[in-house]
Amino acid sequence: EVQLVESGGDLVQPGGSLRLSCAASGFTFSTYCMHWVRQAPGKGLEWISYISTSSTTIHYADSVKGRFTISRDNAKNSLYLQMNSLRDEDTAVYYCARAVAQGRGDFDLWGRGTLVTVSS
Amino acid sequence: EIVLTQSPATLSLSPGERATLSCRASQSVSSYLAWYQQKPGQAPRLLIYDASNRATGIPARFSGSGSGTDFTLTISSLEPEDFAVYYCQQRLSWPPLTFGGGTKVEIK
Repeated sequence: EVQLVESGGDLVQPGGSLRLSCAASGFTFSTYCMHWVRQAPGKGLEWISYISTSSTTIHYADSVKGRFTISRDNAKNSLYLQMNSLRDEDTAVYYCARAVAQGRGDFDLWGRGTLVTVSS
Repeated sequence: EIVLTQSPATLSLSPGERATLSCRASQSVSSYLAWYQQKPGQAPRLLIYDASNRATGIPARFSGSGSGTDFTLTISSLEPEDFAVYYCQQRLSWPPLTFGGGTKVEIK
């Protein structure tokens, strides 16, 4: 089955760190660019990061630049998001999403998401 | 940053009725616009890409149109499973990729 499964979400204090993972299966992960998108409770969707197939091109939203780091391990079919200096406003469900095609900014496969709660 | 404005915020319709959802961009996005459906507690699902192309497995009752700054998602005859929130998203100019605020299609 073609799927993405996120993990690593948790309750963390402001200023803390967390590492999210996204496990891909059912497709050739190494040939797809990947994104992270988040959704605060009761709110809309916010794109936060992109990584190309070979990790040579990486982009971030201004809201997370300098605090979050996207990475991937093609040998392990996995995508990661290292989140540091977490703030209350980072509370959200975090989705990993597959790009429709090389270098594209639309998403044809999404995981079910993992909840990150930042609170003291 | 390109801002996408969706209208209406909520659309109250009955099954079998036609739904027309609008998405307006703050500047031209050519045809680089996608539509997603999201049901409560679920991840978004790609419906339409590049303004008018249905994604794999999407029923023909969903159609997209428009280019430049004005786009429309039409559901020709609402099925019970179509009541959800719909988002538009542009990929012409990024980063950042941007989404509209969403339109909720609810049962009247």
